[in-house]
Amino acid sequence: QSVLTQPPSASGTPGQRVTISCSGSSSSIGSNYVFWYQHLPGTAPKVLIYRNDQRPSGVPDRFSGSKSGTSASLAISGLRSEDEADYYCASWDGSLSGWVFGGGTKLTVL
Amino acid sequence: VRLVESGGGLVKPGGSLRLSCAASGFTFSSYCMNWVRQAPGKGLEWVSSISSSSSYIYYADSVKGRFTISRDNAKNSLFLQMDSLRDDDTAVYYCARGGNSGYQKDNWFDPWGQGTLVTVSS
Repeated sequence: QSVLTQPPSASGTPGQRVTISCSGSSSSIGSNYVFWYQHLPGTAPKVLIYRNDQRPSGVPDRFSGSKSGTSASLAISGLRSEDEADYYCASWDGSLSGWVFGGGTKLTVL
Repeated sequence: VRLVESGGGLVKPGGSLRLSCAASGFTFSSYCMNWVRQAPGKGLEWVSSISSSSSYIYYADSVKGRFTISRDNAKNSLFLQMDSLRDDDTAVYYCARGGNSGYQKDNWFDPWGQGTLVTVSS
């Protein structure tokens, strides 16, 4: 069981907006940054959002992140077929002195 | 910037394996480095992190006491020595670059390598 909780699946049609939630604790998300990674099977994972809401260069502005208290969200607007992938949130956990990942959310573009 | 893992393979329970990650395209000695794994059908699981000078090392509870992370800055290489391997260590192991300033916890993993498969089975 993962320390960060994500819904196992999400879906949407092209052009729609979808959000993926990530719930943690006071020792993880509550006191540290949240990061979001996109993982297509057979490829290297890629950072989508860093430090809660920052987008690396090259990541489309359709992707956005937010954090409130011990929870965070990833929003994807203007959904495209190439967004179909697994999405993971991650944060440092001060109680564990280590990184924790969410269980991952499989996004399906219908 | 490139990270290439190697050393994966089939090993019996209780056995050992040493993974390597060759880095290129950046000043390796300035960056924290990490290992993350993904078991078949499962999500990403952080394994271990090491600071640029090896002063700070962290392990997931699931591997503490069995795995040892190390690095050779002169050879731009990261290692993971895995001992007392168990069935549930079967996974694709990725190395990932961390940050080059501030605290490890404030920096993200980028880029990641393509991974190397470790299979623990009798």
